[in-house]
Amino acid sequence: DIQMSQSPSSLSASVGDRVTITCRASQRISGSLNWYQHRPGKAPNLLIYGASILKSGVPSRFSGSGSGTDFTLTINNLQPEDFATYYCQQNYGSPPVYTFGQGTKLEIK
Amino acid sequence: QMDLVESGGGVVQPGRSLRLSCVASGFTLRSYGMHWIRQAPGKGLEWVALIWYDGTEKYYVDSVKGRFIISRDNSKNTVYLQMNSLRAEDTAVYYCASALTVDAFDLWGQGAAVTVSS
Repeated sequence: DIQMSQSPSSLSASVGDRVTITCRASQRISGSLNWYQHRPGKAPNLLIYGASILKSGVPSRFSGSGSGTDFTLTINNLQPEDFATYYCQQNYGSPPVYTFGQGTKLEIK
Repeated sequence: QMDLVESGGGVVQPGRSLRLSCVASGFTLRSYGMHWIRQAPGKGLEWVALIWYDGTEKYYVDSVKGRFIISRDNSKNTVYLQMNSLRAEDTAVYYCASALTVDAFDLWGQGAAVTVSS
């Protein structure tokens, strides 16, 4: 099975900062990588799909890149509502198994 | 507005069963594959199961194979997760989700809490 590893597991930053979260797959997954934001008590929210495509309605300060095994999520000009936990998720291969990274908790410094 | 609403969560003893339901509104469920995803307390998200749009194919994470059954009733716009032989480690918030417009989970319910405890 494909394993996903995120780093860091937690991150402290300030409003207005730029942060980068990385996600590594245990084998090549082409561009089959998605990013989610999850606030406590809420449903997760899709931000980026296909490694770099911004979901409609998601602010442009969010961006994704990467292919193969290494991927990044970048958030520019952090806003108060961005402090949450972020997950990468792969959906490559058959039979389908959808693996999430362990999450990155973004906290206010 | 498209929405998913889960129900059926609660507290159950180890070894017992529970069935979760997920009702869709604002769209027709029959066109889409549906998933269950869970989050145990203090842990990350874990995909649990998938059922194809027509119910012909079902897939599960290894830890629930042989214990959980995903099913659907398209006439009721509803997906189910029958959870048998429950264990303490199945304690989690269970979300139903779907990939409506892109190849990712772009619609989620609010979740149903399941606690397995004696």
